[in-house]
Amino acid sequence: EVQLVESGGGLVQPGGSLRLSCSASGFTFSDYSMHWVRQAPGKGLEFISSINNDGSSTYYADSVKGRSTISRENSKNNLYLQMSSLRVEDMAVYYCAKSGGGYSEYWGQGTLVTVSS
Amino acid sequence: EIVMTQSPATLSVSPGERVTLSCRASQSVSSYKLAWYQQKPGQAPRLLIYGASTRATGIPARFSGSGSGTDFTLTISSLQSEDFAVYYCQQYNNWPRTFGQGTKVEMK
Repeated sequence: EVQLVESGGGLVQPGGSLRLSCSASGFTFSDYSMHWVRQAPGKGLEFISSINNDGSSTYYADSVKGRSTISRENSKNNLYLQMSSLRVEDMAVYYCAKSGGGYSEYWGQGTLVTVSS
Repeated sequence: EIVMTQSPATLSVSPGERVTLSCRASQSVSSYKLAWYQQKPGQAPRLLIYGASTRATGIPARFSGSGSGTDFTLTISSLQSEDFAVYYCQQYNNWPRTFGQGTKVEMK
């Protein structure tokens, strides 16, 4: 059974930094691209970042480009999202997802990032 | 960027009814790279359909997807109580991957 468990969310002040983690199990992690998708309170879904299976290729949405770094540690089955210069508009539930070929095949339960002073 | 527009924003229906949700892309989504997700309150999204018409693992046959180019449809043949949720379409042919704003299916 595929399982994705996010952690690292919490309360951070505007301008602060946070590293989100996603622990994967139930599949061969190193074979698949992975995604981060976020959802602001009461809003829709926003695809923000993707990384290929070996970490050699990454994508960032304009909304987080230059402020975020996606990475992975295949030996530990972990995905990360380092976020800096956080803004109020970054407040959201952040989901990690296993790619099924471009679409997000399996999703974690999400971790909430609150940006507030 | 491909803009995905879903309609209607909200659909009020009764159990047992046939439901049709629409998703329109601002430019052609080639190779049928269109997915549908279901999200219930407080839960993560769940993949329903990929490749415009292929049901994901474990998805009941009452869910079906169709369409090509710029116009796509998700149909629920006979709505069950557990199907009340928000539905999102997403194109994954171009970067950035973009979602529609969602259609909420609520009880009439």
